[in-house]
Amino acid sequence: NAGVTQTPKFQVLKTGQSMTLQCAQDMNHEYMSWYRQDPGMGLRLIHYSVGAGITDQGEVPNGYNVSRSTTEDFPLRLLSAAPSQTSVYFCASSQGQGGVLETQYFGPGTRLLVL
Amino acid sequence: LAKTTQPISMDSYEGQEVNITCSHNNIATNDYITWYQQFPSQGPRFIIQGYKTKVTNEVASLFIPADRKSSTLSLPRVSLSDTAVYYCLVGPTYSGAGSYQLTFGKGTKLSVIP
Repeated sequence: NAGVTQTPKFQVLKTGQSMTLQCAQDMNHEYMSWYRQDPGMGLRLIHYSVGAGITDQGEVPNGYNVSRSTTEDFPLRLLSAAPSQTSVYFCASSQGQGGVLETQYFGPGTRLLVL
Repeated sequence: LAKTTQPISMDSYEGQEVNITCSHNNIATNDYITWYQQFPSQGPRFIIQGYKTKVTNEVASLFIPADRKSSTLSLPRVSLSDTAVYYCLVGPTYSGAGSYQLTFGKGTKLSVIP
């Protein structure tokens, strides 16, 4: 198993550009989520999904869109990048739809710089 | 959302036992306490989870008093490779339609000194 994979590892954008951060998992996990991590901060939840076709907003959803057409993939879209979105983005997955004993598996992260 | 408070940083010498305490005064009845570890340039990794009393696995122990308003992560005989940020999470917080969120705080940066 590759676990949770993220692409690209690093990206530089200009203000106003759009891009999609890719996240895939091969563990047949139902729950997937996106976090952002800024220097000196913990992880903040952007969007999450409890299964294909179902998404919901987290703590900081503004400026980001998600969709979940398959169990494996959960892309994060930035429609018009802003410097405030410069951050490290982590994707995570877990087995079920809300079991409290589930372990979250995180990807290696994508470093995004918006100029 | 249940808020957690942890020390910002801690230093320890190799071979010592390290205890990191997390305060969560408004923990809800259904909340669990979970700890994650994050190395530089990597995603967080699950360490341990508990509801009350004591939980132990091959990596750490988790102590939770009866009132559950705090918890302590104990790492036995730390090595340089244990240098990382440790996050205490309380929850998950359930929203509508059976979905839930996990909330990370700022974590505790543990530095192990040779």
